[in-house]
Amino acid sequence: DIVMTQSPDSLAVSLGERATINCKSSQSVLYSSNNKNYLAWYQQRPGQPPKLLIYWASTRESGVPDRFSGSGSGTDFTLTISSLQAEDVAVYYCQQYYDTSTWTFGQGTKVEVK
Amino acid sequence: QVQLVESGGGVVQPGGSLRLSCAASGFTFSNYAMHWVRQAPGEGLEWVAFIQKDGSTKYYADSAKGRFTISRDNSKNSLYLQMNSLRVEDTALYYCAKARIDLGAVAANWGQGTLVTVSS
Repeated sequence: DIVMTQSPDSLAVSLGERATINCKSSQSVLYSSNNKNYLAWYQQRPGQPPKLLIYWASTRESGVPDRFSGSGSGTDFTLTISSLQAEDVAVYYCQQYYDTSTWTFGQGTKVEVK
Repeated sequence: QVQLVESGGGVVQPGGSLRLSCAASGFTFSNYAMHWVRQAPGEGLEWVAFIQKDGSTKYYADSAKGRFTISRDNSKNSLYLQMNSLRVEDTALYYCAKARIDLGAVAANWGQGTLVTVSS
């Protein structure tokens, strides 16, 4: 199985500042035939189900604020919140869907306000 | 709007069985692949099972293979997860999730979950 490892496990950021979350896969999730990275990001606010933020590593889901952006390719990916808002306090998960029959999540990164 | 309502969770002894249901509304259920994803208390997300929109293709996590069965009834707008030979480590909140129509692997909408507790 492809193992997804996120870093850090938690971070505290001041309101209005940038938050950066990293996700590393144990093997490349870049599919060469279409040049797409099979990587998604989810947000889980306290007491809520997860919410899809980004897929194809950098495509924002409809309705997701543009302060959220995804980048990276191959095995190394980043979710950036450009200006942290109070409502962004949550746990963030990356997920690979390259392995078409077994999808795996990272362990999660908790984002708090400093 | 999209609504996914899970039910069927509860307390069961190790070795027991449960059948989870997910009632879908607000979209054309038969057009979408579906997932079950679980979250143990205080832990992260674990994908459990996937079913294609017509039920023709099903995938399972290794932890679920041979014990869990995903199914759907498009005439009833419902998704199911039959769980047998339950273990203590299956204790979790089980979410039903609707895939993106163009990307079955990605869960675009989630229910609130139903709690399964396996304990003697």
